[in-house]
Amino acid sequence: DGGITQSPKYLFRKEGQNVTLSCEQNLNHDAMYWYRQDPGQGLRLIYYSQIVNDFQKGDIAEGYSVSREKKESFPLTVTSAQKNPTAFYLCASSIQGIIPHNEQFFGPGTRLTVL
Amino acid sequence: QKEVEQNSGPLSVPEGAIASLNCTYSDRGSQSFFWYRQYSGKSPELIMSIYSNGDKEDGRFTAQLNKASQYVSLLIRDSQPSDSATYLCAGLVYAGNMLTFGGGTRLMVKP
Repeated sequence: DGGITQSPKYLFRKEGQNVTLSCEQNLNHDAMYWYRQDPGQGLRLIYYSQIVNDFQKGDIAEGYSVSREKKESFPLTVTSAQKNPTAFYLCASSIQGIIPHNEQFFGPGTRLTVL
Repeated sequence: QKEVEQNSGPLSVPEGAIASLNCTYSDRGSQSFFWYRQYSGKSPELIMSIYSNGDKEDGRFTAQLNKASQYVSLLIRDSQPSDSATYLCAGLVYAGNMLTFGGGTRLMVKP
């Protein structure tokens, strides 16, 4: 089955800890994205990557870091510098290129809670 | 400042009625638009995309785009209780290849 997987589904973090959220896709998509969603809110872009070994900051990158060593994988680290990390984290991917569609498809999400 | 705006709702309609969801955008560089459905606690699911002025129909769903007035809408005919969800509108600017999402409209379809 083709798709996007995220793990873990639920994650609990203590104050001062760094945690890493996994995102893997087997859709052969070039572009991958990380979003954060707070209760009752839309999605805000944290980081995105259009090709391997390259990524750019989104609107709310402070306190987060990413890597893109493989086309299939785009892990997100939530560092202790992120002051309010409790949220629903969504990973997405899309075909790269200037085409009309460029739909983004989402993984199931990781719900992070700070204890 | 948000570039894509939606009424947060809730929008309540009776079963079998037409639900009309609206979205406005401020960036004239936005060229494609997407409607996602998100059930509580789940990730967004793409239901429609539109990039030309006019209407696009897919089953019970019709997306409408008016670039001159900078609005996008989604009509759901014969609404069902299973359509109850939050609907997210998103706009794509080709140059950046990034989506900008609205805050979502919560739809409630009552039996």
